[in-house]
Amino acid sequence: AQSVTQLDSQVPVFEEAPVELRCNYSSSVSVYLFWYVQYPNQGLQLLLKYLSGSTLVKGINGFEAEFNKSQTSFHLRKPSVHISDTAEYFCAAQRANAGGTSYGKLTFGQGTILTVHP
Amino acid sequence: GAGVSQTPSNKVTEKGKYVELRCDPISGHTALYWYRQSLGQGPEFLIYFQGTGAADDSGLPNDRFFAVRPEGSVSTLKIQRTERGDSAVYLCASSLTSGRSTDTQYFGPGTRLTVL
Repeated sequence: AQSVTQLDSQVPVFEEAPVELRCNYSSSVSVYLFWYVQYPNQGLQLLLKYLSGSTLVKGINGFEAEFNKSQTSFHLRKPSVHISDTAEYFCAAQRANAGGTSYGKLTFGQGTILTVHP
Repeated sequence: GAGVSQTPSNKVTEKGKYVELRCDPISGHTALYWYRQSLGQGPEFLIYFQGTGAADDSGLPNDRFFAVRPEGSVSTLKIQRTERGDSAVYLCASSLTSGRSTDTQYFGPGTRLTVL
């Protein structure tokens, strides 16, 4: 089984400042890693995912994340945030089978509320 | 194209009643997932279907919860004898398959269930 821990429940930041949302995972098997964003009254939307290869993953809306196997982390970053980035962000893990296929279900962290102030 | 849709968007019921929550996946998606998101928490897996069959129902909390997907498209999550602790947002997601790592899960807006 795997578990995901998001280290900050809330992150306030000023507009145009950089931001990092922290995520650590624990798993006895290989995992794929994801970041989803949830805007108010909307469904979860995929920001980016790490499957294999380059440890730096670029996603939508200028976000990127770095997979660090030794630290079991997958932190999300953006160099300059906008008011419209205000939302809740979820880190998630999915078991990766030996053949490169996924196991299906996602295990989510508790979420980080990012609030961007003008 | 149309995304994942869920009905109703809100459901208020009384303790002990039976409820059904519906999910319409993206057309052509064979994998369908149900998750439950309690207040202040991340989504928790309940069950997933590959086609018509439940491939993994390990997340269903007890036998009051049941889900079906009889024709491999629409799915219904059924909760019997609802309890106040069942109050949560129930999320549905679909993906093209569940067997390829590149298949993204697309989520619906959820059904907010309130048990009084």
